[in-house]
Amino acid sequence: DAKTTQPTSMDCAEGRAANLPCNHSTISGNEYVYWYRQIHSQGPQYIIHGLKNNETNEMASLIITEDRKSSTLILPHATLRDTAVYYCIVRVLNSGNTPLVFGKGTRLSVIA
Amino acid sequence: ETGVTQTPRHLVMGMTNKKSLKCEQHLGHNAMYWYKQSAKKPLELMFVYSLEERVENNSVPSRFSPECPNSSHLFLHLHTLQPEDSALYLCASSPSRERSYGYTFGSGTRLTVV
Repeated sequence: DAKTTQPTSMDCAEGRAANLPCNHSTISGNEYVYWYRQIHSQGPQYIIHGLKNNETNEMASLIITEDRKSSTLILPHATLRDTAVYYCIVRVLNSGNTPLVFGKGTRLSVIA
Repeated sequence: ETGVTQTPRHLVMGMTNKKSLKCEQHLGHNAMYWYKQSAKKPLELMFVYSLEERVENNSVPSRFSPECPNSSHLFLHLHTLQPEDSALYLCASSPSRERSYGYTFGSGTRLTVV
């Protein structure tokens, strides 16, 4: 799996958009970008994934650059409950031989 | 609730004790996983089970012994642990190893070894 680089921590004001960047400059053509988050003392939660087109669901939007070397997870209106560690993971979609591997992620603090 | 239930939520055990962690899912998933999360460290994959068969053992010490009696249940048997084994132990499941993007995690067991 390609490696990813994320900032260690970020702050965001409540109600504002939280934009979490991720660099994955060595991503391969068949590798997807996944985002998970982990709220304190809970298990990680799947957020979204994408290949090259921008994706949106009820939780977030994922913007992937045209060269696919970086992406941004957008939480459009951050709330205090969005405070968590956010993990950007790059891997093949159906990589049965490669279970999900987590890095250090970005610790997002949403401030009132 | 995520659909993956782990018990107990908290466990304190001595180094000579034997205990077991339990994970249960009724999502119809066929693959189950054990992860370990120590303080200030990334999640570490420990074991992978697919259709009740262990397919990966990530160099985990033998004092951790997994068991998967059926596709809905996963256990982690613990014996003669060390204080450095204190961590959050997380169970996850996915539809299959192939459709592994859809991991569902439990809330974890917070283990303290004294």
